[in-house]
Amino acid sequence: EVQLVESGGGLVKPGGSLRLSCAASGFTFSNAWMTWVRQAPGKGLEWVGRIKSRSDGGTTDYAAPVKGRLTISRDDSKKTVYLQMNSLKTEDTAVYYCTIRRDYGSGGNWFDPWGQGTLVIVSS
Amino acid sequence: DIQMTQSPSSLSASVGDRVTITCRASQSISSYLNWYQQKPGKAPKVLIYAASTLQSGVPSRFSGGGSGTDFTLTISSLQPEDFATYYCQQSYSTPKTFGPGTKVDFK
Repeated sequence: EVQLVESGGGLVKPGGSLRLSCAASGFTFSNAWMTWVRQAPGKGLEWVGRIKSRSDGGTTDYAAPVKGRLTISRDDSKKTVYLQMNSLKTEDTAVYYCTIRRDYGSGGNWFDPWGQGTLVIVSS
Repeated sequence: DIQMTQSPSSLSASVGDRVTITCRASQSISSYLNWYQQKPGKAPKVLIYAASTLQSGVPSRFSGGGSGTDFTLTISSLQPEDFATYYCQQSYSTPKTFGPGTKVDFK
């Protein structure tokens, strides 16, 4: 069974840092493109960023609001993807989900499954 | 970035009703459109990908349609477990944007 388990959330002051982890099992992690999506309290879903598999270059892309402050990395030996969060702002308060990008023919993709999420609260 | 809109933002319906949610993209996205269901306190779950392909295990009362800029999610006969918020998401380009959601509750 494919499983994603996020951890590392908590309360942090504005300007602070936090590192989230997403531990994966039940699939070939090294081949997977991993994505982080967040959801502010009572709000909708926001794509945060993505890291490709190492065989596809291991590159990252980020949403504009987090670029330069949030960094995605991966450790294939530990089957874990990370989200390093620096210079945090109150508007970064959200549940952070990791998910796998699934591809279908003709270049499309979707996200499945999702972890249970981890809550980050940025507040003084 | 591609902007996604949904209508309505919320709706109230009864068990057995046919429900249709609309999603519109700010530019053509071909059929690169996915639908997710999210229940309170839970992670989203994919229902439909590629605009009309039902994810394995999803009940056949869910269906999707459309291409280009206009898409629909239809629940043919609403069941009590369908109380949830539904999001569309485009996979045409990065960033992979989501619609604002449609909350379905029961009359």
